[in-house]
Amino acid sequence: DAGVTQSPTHLIKTRGQQVTLRCSPISGHKSVSWYQQVLGQGPQFIFQYYEKEERGRGNFPDRFSARQFPNYSSELNVNALLLGDSALYLCASSLAVKSGETQYFGPGTRLLVL
Amino acid sequence: RKEVEQDPGPFNVPEGATVAFNCTYSNSASQSFFWYRQDCRKEPKLLMSVYSSGNEDGRFTAQLNRASQYISLLIRDSKLSDSATYLCVVNNYGGSQGNLIFGKGTKLSVKP
Repeated sequence: DAGVTQSPTHLIKTRGQQVTLRCSPISGHKSVSWYQQVLGQGPQFIFQYYEKEERGRGNFPDRFSARQFPNYSSELNVNALLLGDSALYLCASSLAVKSGETQYFGPGTRLLVL
Repeated sequence: RKEVEQDPGPFNVPEGATVAFNCTYSNSASQSFFWYRQDCRKEPKLLMSVYSSGNEDGRFTAQLNRASQYISLLIRDSKLSDSATYLCVVNNYGGSQGNLIFGKGTKLSVKP
């Protein structure tokens, strides 16, 4: 079975632009979470979705938004890009949202903002 | 205080060495605990879950002390392939949300 897939793998944007990142979860998984990992740090939680509903939001500005589709795939949108948005954006999928649930990560999208 | 704190590292050890990583978490209500491994420029991958009774998977042993809010990972007989960054992870499941909280990671380099 295929794991979590993300597209694109790499992206270069300039300040002020907008970007959309895509994620397809493992087949049968209904929850998708997004994380941002800047160099030298651990991943930081951005959003969590389950059954197309937002279940959680991390401490990120409103420039960040996301949604989940009926097939459980997800998009992360970032508007008005800043240099500090340069990072590895990771998508993780899990069967459900409950204590102890394992989250499986995709390979990530590496975003560079110039 | 950060929610999850780890040894800063890096750890540089010879093959065959035993190495221990420590981690503390600040939320006493945290419910589940994990160690993830991340290779350079790759995604994090689950190494093992951590239980109060302690658990072992081959050369890897994880321990949890809820009273001290402390998590550890022991790697015995280190291999070159163990070189990676090890991330201590806590899941504070509550309400309808179950996001992961990561430590900064500890880099391990195993040398021949």
